[in-house]
Amino acid sequence: AQSVTQPDIHITVSEGASLELRCNYSYGATPYLFWYVQSPGQGLQLLLKYFSGDTLVQGIKGFEAEFKRSQSSFNLRKPSVHWSDAAEYFCAVGASNAGGTSYGKLTFGQGTILTVHP
Amino acid sequence: EAQVTQNPRYLITVTGKKLTVTCSQNMNHEYMSWYRQDPGLGLRQIYYSMNVEVTDKGDVPEGYKVSRKEKRNFPLILESPSPNQTSLYFCASSRPGRGYTFGSGTRLTVV
Repeated sequence: AQSVTQPDIHITVSEGASLELRCNYSYGATPYLFWYVQSPGQGLQLLLKYFSGDTLVQGIKGFEAEFKRSQSSFNLRKPSVHWSDAAEYFCAVGASNAGGTSYGKLTFGQGTILTVHP
Repeated sequence: EAQVTQNPRYLITVTGKKLTVTCSQNMNHEYMSWYRQDPGLGLRQIYYSMNVEVTDKGDVPEGYKVSRKEKRNFPLILESPSPNQTSLYFCASSRPGRGYTFGSGTRLTVV
């Protein structure tokens, strides 16, 4: 069974500071990995995804994430945080079949709430 | 506009009264899925569907039913709702191997 752990429930950073949100996954095969963001009272928006290839992936809003197979991690980073980045962030892992194609099963972590101080 | 539409946005019901939350997508996506979101638990997948008439259980399917008779629609049915199904529900759709696009959510309260 797949699982995702986001070790930090709540992170506070100052505006302009760098950010790293941690994500560790457990999955026996090649994972599909995602980061989503949820602003208060809103749905979820996809920030970036990793399927294969370059382990450093770029997303929207200046975010990037690095896949490290040896550490089973997919940490999200941003070099300079803006006040509008305050939200809850979710890491997710998608299952794949023997052929490497995803089939819709997606497991989320518990989320990390980001607070940005001015 | 490409979107996933859920209805209703808010629903208060009583224990045991059957209800259906509708979900429709206009992107011709093969995959559709339902999630519930509870504080401290993140999002948990209830059911997912890979295509018409193909559905499978997610992590928390007990007390829920789904059907996929048409590609665009994926309703969530609670035949006998209970207070522990009070939650925020999200429908989502995607193409194979792509990230899910989420609807705006349905806040359900069962009293």
